[in-house]
Amino acid sequence: AQTVTQSQPEMSVQEAETVTLSCTYDTSESDYYLFWYKQPPSRQMILVIRQEAYKQQNATENRFSVNFQKAAKSFSLKISDSQLGDAAMYFCAYRSAGYGQNFVFGPGTRLSVLP
Amino acid sequence: KAGVTQTPRYLIKTRGQQVTLSCSPISGHRSVSWYQQTPGQGLQFLFEYFSETQRNKGNFPGRFSGRQFSNSRSEMNVSTLELGDSALYLCASSGQFRDTQYFGPGTRLTVL
Repeated sequence: AQTVTQSQPEMSVQEAETVTLSCTYDTSESDYYLFWYKQPPSRQMILVIRQEAYKQQNATENRFSVNFQKAAKSFSLKISDSQLGDAAMYFCAYRSAGYGQNFVFGPGTRLSVLP
Repeated sequence: KAGVTQTPRYLIKTRGQQVTLSCSPISGHRSVSWYQQTPGQGLQFLFEYFSETQRNKGNFPGRFSGRQFSNSRSEMNVSTLELGDSALYLCASSGQFRDTQYFGPGTRLTVL
């Protein structure tokens, strides 16, 4: 079974600085999707960024970018120019491209942004 | 497009009661998944429905059940509530290829 690991339960970053959240996953498959979701305190979980495993180019969304290392099974999220609104729980998630597979989520990393 | 909606947003029940939670997916989405989120266990997958059929099921007791209607709206039911069922229940919908999930705001269930 696939597993997703986020080794940093909590992290903090100074406003306007850059922070990287780590995620590793375990799979024997070659075709899959990876995601980072953000869940602010008492607010809705939203999709931050999505990566397709067959694409070598790292996904970017404004200040958010990923470092996807397929061979190492690593999928880190970099947040540039951190803002107070980035404070949230961040979940890394995996989904096989195979039929009938469900999403697997990591335990999450709580990010604090210091003014 | 309107996002995923969940009702009610908050619910307080007592042990032994049953509860029904509702989820309306994004228009056009036919896959709905349910998750239980607790501080200690994180996000745990309950089940997924696609075109009114349960496609996947997580490791939860039979007290947890669900269904999906022809308009893709889904309900989950928890019978004989226990204190440990207190959690945030999240619903997520996916489009045809199920490659991305979009979450609703959740239903906060408190069991007293």
